[in-house]
Amino acid sequence: NAGVTQTPKFRVLKTGQSMTLLCAQDMNHEYMYWYRQDPGMGLRLIHYSVGEGTTAKGEVPDGYNVSRLKKQNFLLGLESAAPSQTSVYFCAISGDGETQYFGPGTRLLVL
Amino acid sequence: KQEVTQIPAALSVPEGENLVLNCSFTDSAIYNLQWFRQDPGKGLTSLLLIQSSQREQTSGRLNASLDKSSGRSTLYIAASQPGDSATYLCAVKGGGFKTIFGAGTRLFVKA
Repeated sequence: NAGVTQTPKFRVLKTGQSMTLLCAQDMNHEYMYWYRQDPGMGLRLIHYSVGEGTTAKGEVPDGYNVSRLKKQNFLLGLESAAPSQTSVYFCAISGDGETQYFGPGTRLLVL
Repeated sequence: KQEVTQIPAALSVPEGENLVLNCSFTDSAIYNLQWFRQDPGKGLTSLLLIQSSQREQTSGRLNASLDKSSGRSTLYIAASQPGDSATYLCAVKGGGFKTIFGAGTRLFVKA
């Protein structure tokens, strides 16, 4: 997981609270992704970015917003957290080589 | 819609055994297929990436094959070791930047 860091590692929220997850990379890759992983469902793409200043919706974007103001950072925001957003969130990056490199994950519990 | 299935969901083998993990996908129009390893509580580590034009890739004791026409990929692990115990995920990338993951095969190698 070298090169991709995620902050925070773990967080507990109450329903309705907001938070921002930060993904930072030092590999200078263009593409960045946010996934969520839930038991028995595999990873699902929330949003992704193909470069600084650009973002796009993935498979499950509802309830989340993202921003990529700097090439090395990709932020995932939850404006009003819901229990259904309890999950493990992973950031990934890729370059022209297509291999995706993942961060260590953020565990989020929404009560 | 692309669907990715991994069978079996869990596998337990004695140390030293050669084993095969299976991944099937419904849409053969893929760009690449990637195999990952995930240790408990950790992020994903890329093992092998197979482009759509390739038939197989090898890295050490690992060999991954791809048969687009039948919608299948296999990950062969030779001479398994306890350190190979982890969850193995396959991921299929189609058009655009969306990657679809299987739910994974949990492997346990007994010493």
